[in-house]
Amino acid sequence: KAGVTQTPRYLIKTRGQQVTLSCSPISGHRSVSWYQQTPGQGLQFLFEYFSETQRNKGNFPGRFSGRQFSNSRSEMNVSTLELGDSALYLCASSSTGVDTDTQYFGPGTRLTVL
Amino acid sequence: SQKIEQNSEALNIQEGKTATLTCNYTNYSPAYLQWYRQDPGRGPVFLLLIRENEKEKRKERLKVTFDTTLKQSLFHITASQPADSATYLCAGGLLGGYQKVTFGTGTKLQVIP
Repeated sequence: KAGVTQTPRYLIKTRGQQVTLSCSPISGHRSVSWYQQTPGQGLQFLFEYFSETQRNKGNFPGRFSGRQFSNSRSEMNVSTLELGDSALYLCASSSTGVDTDTQYFGPGTRLTVL
Repeated sequence: SQKIEQNSEALNIQEGKTATLTCNYTNYSPAYLQWYRQDPGRGPVFLLLIRENEKEKRKERLKVTFDTTLKQSLFHITASQPADSATYLCAGGLLGGYQKVTFGTGTKLQVIP
Protein backbone atom coordinates (compact mmCIF):
# COMPACT_ATOMS: atom_id res chain seq x y z
CA LYS A 1 0.00 0.00 0.00
CA ALA A 2 1.28 3.44 -0.82
CA GLY A 3 1.92 5.69 2.16
CA VAL A 4 0.63 9.17 2.87
CA THR A 5 1.81 11.64 0.27
CA GLN A 6 2.05 15.39 0.59
CA THR A 7 2.62 18.01 -2.06
CA PRO A 8 4.52 20.14 -2.47
CA ARG A 9 7.46 19.10 -0.30
CA TYR A 10 8.90 22.59 -0.11
CA LEU A 11 7.36 26.03 -0.44
CA ILE A 12 8.67 29.55 -0.13
CA LYS A 13 6.17 32.37 0.22
CA THR A 14 6.20 35.96 1.35
CA ARG A 15 4.22 37.57 4.14
CA GLY A 16 0.63 38.28 3.24
CA GLN A 17 0.37 35.59 0.60
CA GLN A 18 -1.76 32.49 0.92
CA VAL A 19 -0.82 28.87 0.43
CA THR A 20 -2.56 25.55 -0.20
CA LEU A 21 -1.04 22.24 0.83
CA SER A 22 -2.28 18.86 -0.32
CA CYS A 23 -2.42 15.46 1.33
CA SER A 24 -3.36 12.06 -0.08
CA PRO A 25 -4.04 9.53 2.68
CA ILE A 26 -3.45 5.82 2.58
CA SER A 27 -6.08 4.14 0.43
CA GLY A 28 -9.15 3.32 2.52
CA HIS A 29 -8.32 5.76 5.31
CA ARG A 30 -11.12 8.20 6.01
CA SER A 31 -9.50 10.27 8.74
CA VAL A 32 -6.95 12.94 7.82
CA SER A 33 -5.31 15.18 10.40
CA TRP A 34 -3.00 18.13 9.97
CA TYR A 35 -0.19 19.20 12.29
CA GLN A 36 2.28 22.04 12.47
CA GLN A 37 5.78 21.15 13.64
CA THR A 38 8.29 23.75 14.82
CA PRO A 39 11.47 23.21 16.83
CA GLY A 40 10.23 25.14 19.82
CA GLN A 41 6.64 23.93 19.99
CA GLY A 42 6.83 20.40 18.68
CA LEU A 43 3.82 18.98 16.86
CA GLN A 44 0.64 20.96 17.27
CA PHE A 45 -2.72 19.70 16.06
CA LEU A 46 -4.51 21.86 13.51
CA PHE A 47 -7.63 19.91 12.56
CA GLU A 48 -9.00 16.53 11.61
CA TYR A 49 -11.37 15.59 8.83
CA PHE A 50 -13.36 12.39 8.67
CA SER A 51 -15.57 11.59 5.69
CA GLU A 52 -15.43 15.22 4.48
CA THR A 53 -16.46 16.69 7.86
CA GLN A 54 -14.20 18.59 10.20
CA ARG A 55 -14.45 16.65 13.39
CA ASN A 56 -11.82 18.22 15.62
CA LYS A 57 -9.97 21.50 15.67
CA GLY A 58 -6.89 22.77 17.46
CA ASN A 59 -6.11 26.25 18.76
CA PHE A 60 -5.09 27.98 15.58
CA PRO A 61 -6.48 31.21 14.13
CA GLY A 62 -9.09 31.20 11.40
CA ARG A 63 -6.39 31.88 8.80
CA PHE A 64 -5.80 28.14 8.91
CA SER A 65 -8.51 26.17 7.18
CA GLY A 66 -8.92 22.86 5.47
CA ARG A 67 -11.22 20.60 3.61
CA GLN A 68 -11.55 16.98 2.61
CA PHE A 69 -12.83 15.63 -0.64
CA SER A 70 -14.99 12.57 -1.29
CA ASN A 71 -11.88 10.52 -2.16
CA SER A 72 -10.46 11.42 1.31
CA ARG A 73 -7.76 13.65 -0.14
CA SER A 74 -7.37 16.78 1.95
CA GLU A 75 -6.13 20.29 1.49
CA MET A 76 -5.00 22.83 4.02
CA ASN A 77 -5.04 26.55 3.34
CA VAL A 78 -3.23 29.31 5.19
CA SER A 79 -4.20 32.86 4.29
CA THR A 80 -2.36 36.10 5.02
CA LEU A 81 0.89 34.32 5.83
CA GLU A 82 2.99 35.51 8.75
CA LEU A 83 6.67 34.86 9.46
CA GLY A 84 5.66 32.63 12.37
CA ASP A 85 3.85 30.28 10.00
CA SER A 86 7.20 28.94 8.82
CA ALA A 87 7.11 25.30 9.83
CA LEU A 88 6.87 21.72 8.71
CA TYR A 89 3.23 20.86 8.03
CA LEU A 90 2.44 17.22 8.48
CA CYS A 91 -0.57 15.27 7.41
CA ALA A 92 -1.54 11.97 9.01
CA SER A 93 -4.16 9.42 8.08
CA SER A 94 -5.94 6.75 10.02
CA SER A 95 -8.53 4.15 9.08
CA THR A 96 -10.69 4.74 12.15
CA GLY A 97 -9.93 8.25 13.36
CA VAL A 98 -9.73 6.89 16.90
CA ASP A 99 -6.90 8.66 18.71
CA THR A 100 -5.49 5.44 20.17
CA ASP A 101 -5.27 3.78 16.76
CA THR A 102 -2.19 4.23 14.63
CA GLN A 103 -1.81 7.39 12.62
CA TYR A 104 0.42 7.27 9.55
CA PHE A 105 2.26 10.48 8.81
CA GLY A 106 3.34 11.85 5.48
CA PRO A 107 6.78 13.38 4.88
CA GLY A 108 5.49 16.90 5.37
CA THR A 109 5.58 20.18 3.50
CA ARG A 110 8.31 22.56 4.59
CA LEU A 111 6.88 26.10 4.39
CA THR A 112 9.18 29.08 4.61
CA VAL A 113 7.64 32.53 4.90
CA LEU A 114 9.93 35.45 4.04
CA SER B 1 -1.51 24.07 30.41
CA GLN B 2 -0.78 20.47 29.51
CA LYS B 3 2.89 19.83 28.95
CA ILE B 4 5.04 16.96 27.71
CA GLU B 5 8.71 17.48 28.45
CA GLN B 6 11.47 15.40 26.99
CA ASN B 7 14.36 16.46 29.13
CA SER B 8 17.21 15.67 26.83
CA GLU B 9 17.38 17.40 23.50
CA ALA B 10 20.15 15.04 22.48
CA LEU B 11 21.52 11.75 23.72
CA ASN B 12 24.68 10.01 22.53
CA ILE B 13 25.17 6.35 23.26
CA GLN B 14 27.61 3.63 22.29
CA GLU B 15 26.42 0.88 19.98
CA GLY B 16 25.23 -2.18 21.87
CA LYS B 17 24.23 -0.24 24.99
CA THR B 18 20.69 0.44 26.16
CA ALA B 19 19.37 3.88 25.33
CA THR B 20 16.90 5.33 27.83
CA LEU B 21 14.79 8.35 26.91
CA THR B 22 12.63 10.23 29.41
CA CYS B 23 9.23 11.83 28.98
CA ASN B 24 7.58 13.79 31.81
CA TYR B 25 4.05 15.15 31.80
CA THR B 26 2.70 18.07 33.84
CA ASN B 27 -0.66 19.70 34.52
CA TYR B 28 -2.68 16.72 33.35
CA SER B 29 -2.97 12.97 33.57
CA PRO B 30 -2.86 11.39 30.13
CA ALA B 31 -4.89 8.27 29.52
CA TYR B 32 -2.13 6.99 27.28
CA LEU B 33 1.35 7.82 26.05
CA GLN B 34 2.72 7.23 22.59
CA TRP B 35 6.25 7.10 21.27
CA TYR B 36 7.21 7.96 17.71
CA ARG B 37 10.41 7.90 15.72
CA GLN B 38 11.18 10.71 13.29
CA ASP B 39 14.02 10.70 10.79
CA PRO B 40 15.26 13.89 9.09
CA GLY B 41 12.99 14.94 6.27
CA ARG B 42 10.30 12.44 7.19
CA GLY B 43 7.14 12.33 9.24
CA PRO B 44 6.91 10.60 12.60
CA VAL B 45 6.45 6.83 12.65
CA PHE B 46 4.37 5.31 15.44
CA LEU B 47 6.27 2.87 17.66
CA LEU B 48 4.35 2.07 20.83
CA LEU B 49 1.31 3.08 22.85
CA ILE B 50 0.98 2.43 26.57
CA ARG B 51 -2.17 3.07 28.59
CA GLU B 52 -2.28 4.48 32.12
CA ASN B 53 -3.26 1.12 33.60
CA GLU B 54 -0.27 -0.60 31.98
CA LYS B 55 3.08 -0.45 33.68
CA GLU B 56 5.23 -1.70 30.86
CA LYS B 57 5.04 -2.66 27.20
CA ARG B 58 7.55 -4.31 24.93
CA LYS B 59 8.04 -4.66 21.21
CA GLU B 60 11.18 -6.39 19.98
CA ARG B 61 14.11 -4.31 21.33
CA LEU B 62 11.82 -1.54 22.57
CA LYS B 63 10.37 -1.19 26.04
CA VAL B 64 8.24 1.62 27.41
CA THR B 65 7.08 2.23 30.96
CA PHE B 66 4.34 4.44 32.38
CA ASP B 67 4.76 5.62 35.97
CA THR B 68 1.72 7.62 37.11
CA THR B 69 3.34 8.41 40.46
CA LEU B 70 6.42 9.99 38.92
CA LYS B 71 4.35 11.31 35.99
CA GLN B 72 6.89 9.87 33.68
CA SER B 73 7.44 7.45 30.82
CA LEU B 74 10.75 5.82 30.02
CA PHE B 75 11.54 4.53 26.55
CA HIS B 76 14.31 1.96 26.26
CA ILE B 77 16.09 0.63 23.19
CA THR B 78 18.21 -2.38 24.06
CA ALA B 79 21.27 -3.43 22.05
CA SER B 80 21.16 -0.09 20.26
CA GLN B 81 22.40 0.14 16.68
CA PRO B 82 23.50 3.09 14.53
CA ALA B 83 20.25 2.59 12.56
CA ASP B 84 18.36 3.55 15.74
CA SER B 85 19.74 7.09 15.43
CA ALA B 86 16.74 9.40 15.04
CA THR B 87 14.57 11.83 16.97
CA TYR B 88 12.08 10.18 19.30
CA LEU B 89 8.85 11.95 20.17
CA CYS B 90 6.65 11.35 23.17
CA ALA B 91 2.96 12.24 23.13
CA GLY B 92 0.36 12.08 25.86
CA GLY B 93 -3.34 11.90 25.08
CA LEU B 94 -6.66 12.26 26.82
CA LEU B 95 -9.32 10.11 25.20
CA GLY B 96 -11.69 11.79 22.79
CA GLY B 97 -9.82 13.11 19.78
CA TYR B 98 -6.51 14.20 18.36
CA GLN B 99 -6.96 17.73 19.75
CA LYS B 100 -6.40 16.20 23.17
CA VAL B 101 -2.93 14.84 22.35
CA THR B 102 0.11 16.85 23.45
CA PHE B 103 3.48 16.18 21.84
CA GLY B 104 6.93 16.77 23.25
CA THR B 105 9.68 18.37 21.20
CA GLY B 106 11.68 15.16 20.97
CA THR B 107 15.04 13.71 21.94
CA LYS B 108 17.64 13.26 19.23
CA LEU B 109 19.39 9.95 19.75
CA GLN B 110 22.78 9.31 18.19
CA VAL B 111 24.15 5.75 18.41
CA ILE B 112 27.90 5.78 17.94
CA PRO B 113 29.52 2.73 16.31
